[in-house]
Amino acid sequence: GAGVSQTPSNKVTEKGKYVELRCDPISGHTALYWYRQSLGQGPEFLIYFQGTGAADDSGLPNDRFFAVRPEGSVSTLKIQRTERGDSAVYLCASSLGLAGRGEQFFGPGTRLTVL
Amino acid sequence: GENVEQHPSTLSVQEGDSAVIKCTYSDSASNYFPWYKQELGKRPQLIIDIRSNVGEKKDQRIAVTLNKTAKHFSLHITETQPEDSAVYFCAATRGASKIIFGSGTRLSIRP
Repeated sequence: GAGVSQTPSNKVTEKGKYVELRCDPISGHTALYWYRQSLGQGPEFLIYFQGTGAADDSGLPNDRFFAVRPEGSVSTLKIQRTERGDSAVYLCASSLGLAGRGEQFFGPGTRLTVL
Repeated sequence: GENVEQHPSTLSVQEGDSAVIKCTYSDSASNYFPWYKQELGKRPQLIIDIRSNVGEKKDQRIAVTLNKTAKHFSLHITETQPEDSAVYFCAATRGASKIIFGSGTRLSIRP
């Protein structure tokens, strides 16, 4: 079946604007994760959903960041009042969740550039 | 808090030689240790993983060892080939929760 998909692949915005990044997980995967990867660094955890609820949002840097997964499948990461420091690749991953062994499958990422 | 340290940050080996990347983790509750390979501009791809009840796992030219007591784990690549050139990330997690990644090792294979 299809892997994890993310849209858009690239997003350029101006400082202060609002952006939404979308993730479509692998069908049947109950767990969904958002990570942020800056150049030359490892992915940094942001938030994790188990079904519709956020099981762990400890990685969200501040209240400008918010994510939803209303039907337990597609998720949207929302960033308000973007700042230049938000520029990074935002990666989404999914896994079978509690029923699985922990393996996470990553999407291709959305490259966000804040000018 | 949870932390994964990875060394070295860059590694250059002659084609055909072995490469070893080492990681340590801080969360003693971690029970799953995946290794990801990331090529430039691509997504991280799982190449091998190990669970806490196993000390070693091998898959063709790739092997991973785990020392739970010392909280160390390592990736070994033998008979390296040009296509092994990439950035490798170690990681630690407790099952289905968040992955904590190391900072990455840029591996270059010299012809």
